[in-house]
Amino acid sequence: NAGVTQTPKFQVLKTGQSMTLQCAQDMNHEYMSWYRQDPGMGLRLIHYSVGAGITDQGEVPNGYNVSRSTTEDFPLRLLSAAPSQTSVYFCASSYSGTGANGYTFGSGTRLTVV
Amino acid sequence: KNQVEQSPQSLIILEGKNCTLQCNYTVSPFSNLRWYKQDTGRGPVSLTIMTFSENTKSNGRYTATLDADTKQSSLHITASQLSDSASYICVVSAEYGGSQGNLIFGKGTKLSVKP
Repeated sequence: NAGVTQTPKFQVLKTGQSMTLQCAQDMNHEYMSWYRQDPGMGLRLIHYSVGAGITDQGEVPNGYNVSRSTTEDFPLRLLSAAPSQTSVYFCASSYSGTGANGYTFGSGTRLTVV
Repeated sequence: KNQVEQSPQSLIILEGKNCTLQCNYTVSPFSNLRWYKQDTGRGPVSLTIMTFSENTKSNGRYTATLDADTKQSSLHITASQLSDSASYICVVSAEYGGSQGNLIFGKGTKLSVKP
C-alpha cells in the first residue's frame, strides 16, 4: 500500500546512545518532515526537507540530524539520546509544504530514553 | 505569534449522539485549515481541508465549518459511533510562499464515545 513507512515502531535507548529512525514514502512527494508528539502538546516540527539534498530546521531541531539523499527516504538521527527525547515521532510527506494537497503521516515511532 | 487553540480538551459522549469540536486560530497569512483524526497509536489522518473561500466541507458524518472573519472552525460529528473515539487535531497552514509552508498544530480534542 502506498504511504509513509516508519521503522521501528518502538525503541528503548539508554542515555547517550545514538540511533536512526527510518522514514520512507512511495508517493514521489517532494516535501517530507519529522514531528514529535508529547502529551498535552501539539505536534512540533523537528526538521523538514523540500526535496532531495535540501533540509532545514524546524521548531525543535536540537539533538537531531537529518539528511535527504533520495526523494523516498528521510531518516532522523539522534546523536546522543537524552530522556527529554522520549516522545512519539511522526514522519510526514506532502506534494508541497503548505499541505494544500494533504499530508500523509506515518504510524509513528514510540521512543523511550532511560 | 501563530497559534491554534482547540476546545474542549476532552469530551465524552454516548453512541449515537452528535458533538461539535472547536478550533480558534491566529495564523497569518492563512493558507488552509485541516481537521485530522488520530486513533490511539496511529498517525493523524486527514478528514477535511478548507481554504479561505470555503465555509463548509463534509466527509460522511463529519462536517467542518470555517469562518475566516472570526478565525474560527468547527468539526461537527453526527450520529457518533464507537470508532469515532480518537483525538481530533486542527491544523492551520500558513503560506509563506512556495514550499516554505508552515503547519501550526492544535493540541487536539480527545473524544470518547461510550456505548
